[in-house]
Amino acid sequence: KAGVTQTPRYLIKTRGQQVTLSCSPISGHRSVSWYQQTPGQGLQFLFEYFSETQRNKGNFPGRFSGRQFSNSRSEMNVSTLELGDSALYLCASSLHTEAFFGQGTRLTVV
Amino acid sequence: KQEVTQIPAALSVPEGENLVLNCSFTDSAIYNLQWFRQDPGKGLTSLLLIQSSQREQTSGRLNASLDKSSGRSTLYIAASQPGDSATYLCAVYNNNDMRFGAGTRLTVKP
Repeated sequence: KAGVTQTPRYLIKTRGQQVTLSCSPISGHRSVSWYQQTPGQGLQFLFEYFSETQRNKGNFPGRFSGRQFSNSRSEMNVSTLELGDSALYLCASSLHTEAFFGQGTRLTVV
Repeated sequence: KQEVTQIPAALSVPEGENLVLNCSFTDSAIYNLQWFRQDPGKGLTSLLLIQSSQREQTSGRLNASLDKSSGRSTLYIAASQPGDSATYLCAVYNNNDMRFGAGTRLTVKP
């Protein structure tokens, strides 16, 4: 059974650009959550999608957005990138409440 | 607002030692608690999931306990090995919201 797949694994972007990250959950999982991890702030919750609807949202500015498709794959978009957006972005999928994480996308903003 | 604390922040032990990692949470109204392992720059690997109605879970050399009333969980690692070196995170889940502790960075010296 394939795990959670995140693409790309690494990204380098310039300040002001926008970026889209992708997450394919485990087959059959309908919930996908996104997290930002930085050395200073730890793991912070961004948002959760369930059956194409945003079910929960963390405390991030509107530059961070997401969506989920009918096949449960999810994308996360960050517009007008700032240096502070450099982080490891992790997505997790779950069937009930046990979360399974992908390997993450390392985003570097220069 | 749920807050999760992990003590100690870092731990260094010689190979073969048994050890305990601690996790505390402020709101006992949780649905479950999950322990994860994270290697540097990688995603989170689920170790153990304890439902709110359970007191403990075991997997190999790992044993996790949960005391909801006191807001505490422990992860016991028996006969530690250098390969156990990683950051261990606990997370509590309730109402579609998963909150993480900052983690304990474990180093097992050969």
